[in-house]
Amino acid sequence: AQKITQTQPGMFVQEKEAVTLDCTYDTSDQSYGLFWYKQPSSGEMIFLIYQGSYDEQNATEGRYSLNFQKARKSANLVISASQLGDSAMYFCAMTGYNFNKFYFGSGTKLNVKP
Amino acid sequence: DAGVIQSPRHEVTEMGQEVTLRCKPISGHNSLFWYRQTMMRGLELLIYFNNNVPIDDSGMPEDRFSAKMPNASFSTLKIQPSEPRDSAVYFCASSPDRGRTGELFFGEGSRLTVL
Repeated sequence: AQKITQTQPGMFVQEKEAVTLDCTYDTSDQSYGLFWYKQPSSGEMIFLIYQGSYDEQNATEGRYSLNFQKARKSANLVISASQLGDSAMYFCAMTGYNFNKFYFGSGTKLNVKP
Repeated sequence: DAGVIQSPRHEVTEMGQEVTLRCKPISGHNSLFWYRQTMMRGLELLIYFNNNVPIDDSGMPEDRFSAKMPNASFSTLKIQPSEPRDSAVYFCASSPDRGRTGELFFGEGSRLTVL
């Protein structure tokens, strides 16, 4: 079975600064996927970024990048140039080899200060 | 394109009543998931279907919960009888089988309050 751990319940960052949200995972699958989702206070879940276990390059999507360290089993999310609208809960998630069952971490609440 | 559609968005009911939550996945998606989100337990996978067949229901809390997917465009999650501890936001999500990223597409959630 897969396990996702997010050890930061809450974080603060100053507007325009970069922030790293931590995520570690555990799996026995050789092929798996790693995801980050954002949940603003309105409640919807928004997909941010994806990293496949065999992808050699770190995934990037605009201001989001995923710092993938396979040997350490970590998949940290880096948000550059934080904006006030980035204040939200952030969830790390993973799937196993069949990409059918998604496991979510407990989330990190990010507050961006003006 | 229409996203995942859930109804109702909000439901307030009394303990002991039957609750039915509905979900229409994105057309063409083969997998459908029901999640429950609470402050205490975070996001819990309740059940997921692949090609309308329940694959894993190990997350369903107890016999009071049941889920069906009679066709590719509709699923229900039923709680009977409901209890106050069932109060949560219930998300439905769908995913294309082995899509480019295998990304989950979430509905807006159904917020259930059981009094």
